[in-house]
Amino acid sequence: KAGVTQTPRYLIKTRGQQVTLSCSPISGHRSVSWYQQTPGQGLQFLFEYFSETQRNKGNFPGRFSGRQFSNSRSEMNVSTLELGDSALYLCASSLEWDNEQFFGPGTRLTVL
Amino acid sequence: GIQVEQSPPDLILQEGANSTLRCNFSDSVNNLQWFHQNPWGQLINLFYIPSGTKQNGRLSATTVATERYSLLYISSSQTTDSGVYFCAVVIGGSQGNLIFGKGTKLSVKP
Repeated sequence: KAGVTQTPRYLIKTRGQQVTLSCSPISGHRSVSWYQQTPGQGLQFLFEYFSETQRNKGNFPGRFSGRQFSNSRSEMNVSTLELGDSALYLCASSLEWDNEQFFGPGTRLTVL
Repeated sequence: GIQVEQSPPDLILQEGANSTLRCNFSDSVNNLQWFHQNPWGQLINLFYIPSGTKQNGRLSATTVATERYSLLYISSSQTTDSGVYFCAVVIGGSQGNLIFGKGTKLSVKP
């Protein structure tokens, strides 16, 4: 069974631009979560989607948004990029909210 | 909110040595996972262990939910074990997000 995939793997943007990251979960998994990892803040939860509905959201500004499609694939969008948005963005999928979560390889975003 | 604390923050071992990593959490949890983050950033699943003991090769883990801690044992360490080990928990209420500790950075020297 294929694992969680994320595209693109690397991205360089400038301040003020917007970016869209994509995540394809393991087949059959309906829960998709997004996390941000930075050296200063560690791993922080962004949001979780289940059956196309945002079920839970972390403490991030409204510039961070996401959605999930009927095939469970998910995208996250960051608008008006700031230097502090430079981070590794990780996507995880699971069968349900309290089941084992599996992570993709991540998208490394650099904002110049 | 729940606090997840890992110790030690850094650990340097000689190849072949054994080690124990600890994860303390401040409230009841529904799920606990251990991960190893490789040099490229990917989180590799080690154990899904809300309670009890599991073993996988040279690695084993024990979670004592009633006392709110989990331990990860690494025996006969190898240089490939180097990296950061994270403990993460899920609290109840259908909130499926993992809450991570700050990690233990392990360096295994040849």
